[in-house]
Amino acid sequence: DTAVSQTPKYLVTQMGNDKSIKCEQNLGHDTMYWYKQDSKKFLKIMFSYNNKELIINETVPNRFSPKSPDKAHLNLHINSLELGDSAVYFCASSRDTTGHYGYTFGSGTRLTVV
Amino acid sequence: QKEVEQNSGPLSVPEGAIASLNCTYSDRGSQSFFWYRQYSGKSPELIMFIYSNGDKEDGRFTAQLNKASQYVSLLIRDSQPSDSATYLCAVGPGGGNKLTFGTGTQLKVEL
Repeated sequence: DTAVSQTPKYLVTQMGNDKSIKCEQNLGHDTMYWYKQDSKKFLKIMFSYNNKELIINETVPNRFSPKSPDKAHLNLHINSLELGDSAVYFCASSRDTTGHYGYTFGSGTRLTVV
Repeated sequence: QKEVEQNSGPLSVPEGAIASLNCTYSDRGSQSFFWYRQYSGKSPELIMFIYSNGDKEDGRFTAQLNKASQYVSLLIRDSQPSDSATYLCAVGPGGGNKLTFGTGTQLKVEL
């Protein structure tokens, strides 16, 4: 039973399209995150939600909009996709906002914008 | 200055040797330190965490922390080809609430 699951695993789309990525965790964690990993393997935080409340919103274009319907789910919607959005997007969760026990990552969504 | 710095490598070690991976961080208030392993095309996997100065051992892995020098390291004893991966250092701030990652060190264990 996958702890943090993301769908889809691969996403290939044209510039200008709108797409969504879904994430679900069954660990009972309170906090969820979206990270973007670029081609150089750098993992950069985008958003964090604690129990459905947005607590981290890094400098991300407002074309990116997260939504958390409940504490087990965190989705990411991207409008007007650009070539530079191509990356691997990871969802992660942690027990609480401190991240003191580390994160559990989903399997990632490889987004390719053509 | 990057918040968390790692040598990108690749670091090549022969099978059976000790691999030493290093990480420095800039925030003196950091309280929690993590090592993640990421195989190519896979997600990061937590392998060690350390909160206090000194060494922490878990099987073939030892994490070392020196807060005065703002330095964290990971030693892998008896390196195996299956240890070949990118190792990401992550640092948690004193007040929470996000981990900052380094860019990772690629480790290659050669037969």
